[in-house]
Amino acid sequence: DAKTTQPTSMDCAEGRAANLPCNHSTISGNEYVYWYRQIHSQGPQYIIHGLKNNETNEMASLIITEDRKSSTLILPHATLRDTAVYYCIVSANAGGTSYGKLTFGQGTILTVHP
Amino acid sequence: SAVISQKPSRDICQRGTSLTIQCQVDSQVTMMFWYRQQPGQSLTLIATANQGSEATYESGFVIDKFPISRPNLTFSTLTVSNMSPEDSSIYLCSVDRDNYGYTFGSGTRLTVV
Repeated sequence: DAKTTQPTSMDCAEGRAANLPCNHSTISGNEYVYWYRQIHSQGPQYIIHGLKNNETNEMASLIITEDRKSSTLILPHATLRDTAVYYCIVSANAGGTSYGKLTFGQGTILTVHP
Repeated sequence: SAVISQKPSRDICQRGTSLTIQCQVDSQVTMMFWYRQQPGQSLTLIATANQGSEATYESGFVIDKFPISRPNLTFSTLTVSNMSPEDSSIYLCSVDRDNYGYTFGSGTRLTVV
């Protein structure tokens, strides 16, 4: 699996956009970029994923660079409840050799403060 | 996305005993995944469970220690055998839900004393 690099921690003011970067320079052509978050003592929560186009859903936006070597997760209006560990993961969908094998790094601890 | 029920949510067990963790999904899924999260650490994949075949274990995990059953498309169990304090972790199951990514259960918090 391709490895990812994320900052250890980030701060964000409530109501502002939180931009979480991720480097995945060894990503393969069939690997998607997934973002999950884990709030203390809970299972990881799926946020968003994409292959090469930018994606947006009700939770966040995902911006993937044209060369696919990095991406940014954007929480447009962060709230205190967005405080969590955010994981950027690359993995293939069904049919790919890394299918299902989500390799979790240490993630980014995002702290949203009032 | 799928709803996963995981039981028990937590347990305290004596060393040398075994604990079986259940994972029930509200719809049929081809593959189920079991993860371990040691205290203060990230998640590590233990094994992948397909219905009708033996589970596939990741490096560092063996069937004798973590036997897995997958009797049908909505259910799986993970057993932590002959437990020691080093097995104290959160154990989570996960399923693939097509375009909704992977859904995780709420986890089983295991403490071995």
